[in-house]
Parts: sequence; structure tokens; C-alpha cells
Amino acid sequence: GAVVSQHPSRVICKSGTSVKIECRSLDFQATTMFWYRQFPKQSLMLMATSNEGSKATYEQGVEKDKFLINHASLTLSTLTVTSAHPEDSSFYICSARDTAGNQPQHFGDGTRLSIL
Amino acid sequence: LAKTTQPISMDSYEGQEVNITCSHNNIATNDYITWYQQFPSQGPRFIIQGYKTKVTNEVASLFIPADRKSSTLSLPRVSLSDTAVYYCLVATPNTGGFKTIFGAGTRLFVKA
Repeated sequence: GAVVSQHPSRVICKSGTSVKIECRSLDFQATTMFWYRQFPKQSLMLMATSNEGSKATYEQGVEKDKFLINHASLTLSTLTVTSAHPEDSSFYICSARDTAGNQPQHFGDGTRLSIL
Repeated sequence: LAKTTQPISMDSYEGQEVNITCSHNNIATNDYITWYQQFPSQGPRFIIQGYKTKVTNEVASLFIPADRKSSTLSLPRVSLSDTAVYYCLVATPNTGGFKTIFGAGTRLFVKA
């Protein structure tokens, strides 16, 4: 089945550090990928839609200069949390969908980001 | 985007059948209904997807009435490992820019 790989699974770093998270579709091409954020005991919140070869579309309230998204190929999207602060600590999850047919979204296993 | 409403939580016992119903009154003609399961500190895992009537796979069944304003995920003979959060989503899958908005989900707790 469709697999989405997310790396790293966990990051612990100091305040002010920039952190890059990768999302790869392993056995299909994805022109569109999505980035979510999830706080404890809450649902997933869509942050942005990553579009291959063009700018990402951000949801209202999400700072595009804070959360940089690059979708340089049909199998890779990256999310960079710039100058991270403790309030950026969260669980970040990406998803992708095979654009062939009526396929569902498949999700990565998430990245636990902890900013000290 | 169609909004979904699910019960916040449900309790069950091992071996029982569990039915989780989701309301999506403003579902669009081209929307599909998809259910996901999420364990703590993991990404959501696809369970089943359907458009109308009934869909069955090796882990669940999905019942969708004719008006498609609701759907029911049926988990046969649950086990302790089925304790998780279950999300119902509606979206049009063959639109390049479609996005999926998660509702609150249903927290299922299976007891021994």
C-alpha cells in the first residue's frame, strides 16, 4: 500500500534553532502534500498545503515565514520551523495522496518537536 | 468543506462490535467519506473509504445511507489494541488542491 515516510521522528533542540522535517511518498507521486500540527489530546490542525513546483498555501493564522515549506519534487516536501521557540513544540504530521484515481490521503508517522 | 460531527468518546468491551456514526449534513456530490485511526504519537492510519451504500474490507465496514448525510464505521469484534481515536473525513479526492480538515474525532476505549 501507499507509504509516506516522515523524518526525523523526534527532535529536541535549543530555542532559536531551525529544524527541517522531511516528508516522502515512497511508492507514488504526490503533486500535493499537507502539513498538520497536533497538540496533546487535540485533533490535527491543517497548517499548509504543499504544492510541487509552486508556493505553499497556508491556512489562516499560520506564519509562512515561520514555517517554510518546500516541495521540490513529486516525492518530497520539507517543513522548516525557523528560529524555533518553546511554543513551537508540537507533533507535526505530513500527508500525501496519490493523484491517480480516488485515492485517500496517507499520513507519515509524525515528528515530535521539543524546543528547550 | 463539509463539516463532520462524531461522538467525543465511546467505551466498549473486547469481542463486541463497535459502530461509530459520523454526521456530515453538507456533504458535496463529489465528496468521499474516509475513516482514519490514530494511536498516540503516530500519524493517522487509513481504515476505509466509501462513496455510497456499503464498503467492507479486512478490518471494517462502512455504511452510508442513500442521502449520504451520515456514515457509520463498524468494527467487528474489537480488541484492546483497537483503543484509539477514530476520525471521519469528507473530501473530494480527485481534485488536485483538495484539503482535508479533521474534526474532533471519537476516542474509543476498549476494556477487557
